[in-house]
Amino acid sequence: DSGVTQTPKHLITATGQRVTLRCSPRSGDLSVYWYQQSLDQGLQFLIQYYNGEERAKGNILERFSAQQFPDLHSELNLSSLELGDSALYFCASSGSQQGEQYFGPGTRLTVT
Amino acid sequence: GENVEQHPSTLSVQEGDSAVIKCTYSDSASNYFPWYKQELGKGPQLIIDIRSNVGEKKDQRIAVTLNKTAKHFSLHITETQPEDSAVYFCAAQIPGANSKLTFGKGITLSVRP
Repeated sequence: DSGVTQTPKHLITATGQRVTLRCSPRSGDLSVYWYQQSLDQGLQFLIQYYNGEERAKGNILERFSAQQFPDLHSELNLSSLELGDSALYFCASSGSQQGEQYFGPGTRLTVT
Repeated sequence: GENVEQHPSTLSVQEGDSAVIKCTYSDSASNYFPWYKQELGKGPQLIIDIRSNVGEKKDQRIAVTLNKTAKHFSLHITETQPEDSAVYFCAAQIPGANSKLTFGKGITLSVRP
């Protein structure tokens, strides 16, 4: 158990809908990262937050957004969902801006 | 940006044998190289990592070696066991404001009993 929690574990929704994925980092970790894992693209970095502020963006679509709250939990919002958004979404946390990242169990999103 | 290549894509070994998984990276500025193990239905688990100021690191049956000149690093698993069967990912990180991990595509390791 990495200490990173994610909810929900599974999510099934229809195209055009909006969902919110939640992540709680390990106790004391200030950095939260979001990654998308699909069969053809592997693990792709989406976005990073550090102590409530956005620090870096990767291959994140404009339909996707995230935030980190004062209690350091983070939410990833996915809107206008398309079939291609079906994937595993992982969050990871780190105690610093460099080095070890610990992953949560992921949320499996299925868009039908 | 960084690009990480992982070879081979699948590997099958007999229980008790050693397994070696290799990765190459493109950006010489990368200085942190973790390895993750992902079992079915679970998130990636950090199993070992190495920084660019070290050439080798060991932890029980697993070791990682780094060749900065050639820009490649390898995961070595000795005395493999069926529970080592999983997908293994290598990654690289460039120091700086964007501390994302760039992952290889992953290798599926199967350990035959």
